[in-house]
Amino acid sequence: EPEVTQTPSHQVTQMGQEVILRCVPISNHLYFYWYRQILGQKVEFLVSFYNNEISEKSEIFDDQFSVERPDGSNFTLKIRSTKLEDSAMYFCASSDSSGTGPEELFFGSGTQLSVL
Amino acid sequence: LAKTTQPISMDSYEGQEVNITCSHNNIATNDYITWYQQFPSQGPRFIIQGYKTKVTNEVASLFIPADRKSSTLSLPRVSLSDTAVYYCLVGSGGYQKVTFGTGTKLQVIP
Repeated sequence: EPEVTQTPSHQVTQMGQEVILRCVPISNHLYFYWYRQILGQKVEFLVSFYNNEISEKSEIFDDQFSVERPDGSNFTLKIRSTKLEDSAMYFCASSDSSGTGPEELFFGSGTQLSVL
Repeated sequence: LAKTTQPISMDSYEGQEVNITCSHNNIATNDYITWYQQFPSQGPRFIIQGYKTKVTNEVASLFIPADRKSSTLSLPRVSLSDTAVYYCLVGSGGYQKVTFGTGTKLQVIP
């Protein structure tokens, strides 16, 4: 069964450092998303991406965040200068249709980011 | 997007049927109801989706009354592996762009 793959599974970084979280969406999917979940809290939408550009982003997704699809398979989330409050589980998701109708989102297993 | 309300937690014994109800009083005409399941340290996983009446798949059933102001996820004969958080989402398009609610934490007891 096809799945969304995320690497690394755990990332520890120092405050102020840049991190890049990597995702390989399901191969025939066209829509990509990043979510995060702070321990014990809700799953929060960060950003959606289609056709090599951001289609939607939340208030959380400020200038410190960026996304990129550097090649035909990878989808990355970069945090430019990490803060303590960026510590969370980051989930990548993909789908094969647009937000014009409800569709199934396929989530990866997440990257646990710890900012020290 | 319609706001949803679910119980924060539920306990059930193994082998029992579990029904989790979600209220969505402000559901719009074009909105669908979707349920996701999340195990600890994993991403949410799609369970079932419906618009009205009843939908059944190999995992669960979804019951939606005529007024669509609520919906009930039914899990038949739960096992310990069904212990998870269950999220109800309501939307027509772009629902994935919102924050998941707090969900219902189901604990299955041996």
